[in-house]
Amino acid sequence: AQSVSQHNHHVILSEAASLELGCNYSYGGTVNLFWYVQYPGQHLQLLLKYFSGDPLVKGIKGFEAEFIKSKFSFNLRKPSVQWSDTAEYFCAVNRERDAGNNRKLIWGLGTSLGVNP
Amino acid sequence: ETGVTQSPTHLIKTRGQQVTLRCSSQSGHNTVSWYQQALGQGPQFIFQYYREEENGRGNFPPRFSGLQFPNYSSELNVNALELDDSALYLCASSLQLAGANTGELFFGEGSRLTVL
Repeated sequence: AQSVSQHNHHVILSEAASLELGCNYSYGGTVNLFWYVQYPGQHLQLLLKYFSGDPLVKGIKGFEAEFIKSKFSFNLRKPSVQWSDTAEYFCAVNRERDAGNNRKLIWGLGTSLGVNP
Repeated sequence: ETGVTQSPTHLIKTRGQQVTLRCSSQSGHNTVSWYQQALGQGPQFIFQYYREEENGRGNFPPRFSGLQFPNYSSELNVNALELDDSALYLCASSLQLAGANTGELFFGEGSRLTVL
C-alpha cells in the first residue's frame, strides 16, 4: 500500500536553529509532493509544492524542500526558525496522474514543531 | 484566509444522534473534499464531490454521507454518531480542470465535533 512517512513526530528547537523535517513516500513513478502547515487554531495551508522542474522548491515564510527521487524523499528545511513557526507540518503525496483526485492524496501523520523563544 | 468557511465551528452531540456540517467553498472552485482529523493525526479523506456528484470515497461507512450544491457549497452528514466520531472535520476546496489540476487544497478552519 502507498504510504507517506514523517519520521519526526515531535521536534523542539530554539529560535535561530536550523530545521529539517523528513518525508519519505513508498511508491515510484512521477509524483506530486506537498507540505502543508497548520498553525495553532488556524486552518491547514499550503507551504510549498513540487510538480516538476527544479527539485529545490521554495515556499512561503523562508521554507524550502528538496525532492530527491532516488531516495523517495521530500524533506522540508528552514535555515533559521522563529517562534512563529510553531505548528503542525504535514507532508502529502500523490501520483501525477491522480492530481485532483483527493482520495489518492496520501498524508503523513504530521510533525509537531515547537520553537522556544 | 482561504475563502473556505465552515459551520458550525464547534458542536456537541450524543451517541446515536445525527449531525450536519456545512462548507462554503472558495469562489471559482468546483471540487469539495471532506476530511476527518483526530487529535495528533493527519487528515483522513472521507469523500470528494465534483459537480454535485461524489467521485471518490475513503474508508468511511455509509453513515457518512454528503451533498454538493449547484453553487459548489457542500454538506457532510453523519448518522448514528459514535464516540469515535469525535474529531475535527475539515472541508477543502479545489479547482479541477480537464488536463490541468494543481492539486492544491484550500482548507477551512474546521468543525470540531464532540460526541458524548
